Amino acid sequence: SQTIHQWPATLVQPVGSPLSLECTVEGTSNPNLYWYRQAAGRGLQLLFYSVGIGQISSEVPQNLSASRPQDRQFILSSKKLLLSDSGFYLCAWTGLAGSLTGELFFGEGSRLTVL
Amino acid sequence: GNSVTQMEGPVTLSEEAFLTINCTYTATGYPSLFWYVQYPGEGLQLLLKATKADDKGSNKGFEATYRKETTSFHLEKGSVQVSDSAVYFCALTLRGSTLGRLYFGRGTQLTVWP
Repeated sequence: SQTIHQWPATLVQPVGSPLSLECTVEGTSNPNLYWYRQAAGRGLQLLFYSVGIGQISSEVPQNLSASRPQDRQFILSSKKLLLSDSGFYLCAWTGLAGSLTGELFFGEGSRLTVL
Repeated sequence: GNSVTQMEGPVTLSEEAFLTINCTYTATGYPSLFWYVQYPGEGLQLLLKATKADDKGSNKGFEATYRKETTSFHLEKGSVQVSDSAVYFCALTLRGSTLGRLYFGRGTQLTVWP
């Protein structure tokens, strides 16, 4: 069966420090991968998506970047964090069947607090 | 464009009360519709889905019917439990989209008291 993991689960970082959140998917190949952010009191905002290795599309201009160095690995990064980067970050994937029906499978989430 | 509008919370109910969370959508194509649930401190889980008009999705006592004429996908449950306390997200995707991109509503916080 397929599983998705992301880490760390919780992170407290000072303003101006770097960030790296990792997400891996197991049990499938060539998934579409997504990073969403959920800010306090707000809905889910799609940040990045990837349909293959090295292929990254950004939905909104921001202080963050994403990379996909391997088929089932998706990394969210920042060189210098801002206070506004605080939030709950969710990685998600969908396979070919999911792409047709639209179902996304989410990781457990990473809560980032920037102080 | 594509968007989802759902009723704002928070919604507070007593155990065994009837629940309705309204959701309406706009879509440039033919959407599939979803309800996701997020329990405290966790990621999102698919609760139910419907892929064509008049389909009814159901799971764990929750139901939602895809109404094309009113562009709606309201979530209902006849008798809520304390364990149903969570944030509920309505979402859509365009059928056939290879990107698999979901458009989410802002979420509705549900709290059920014993």
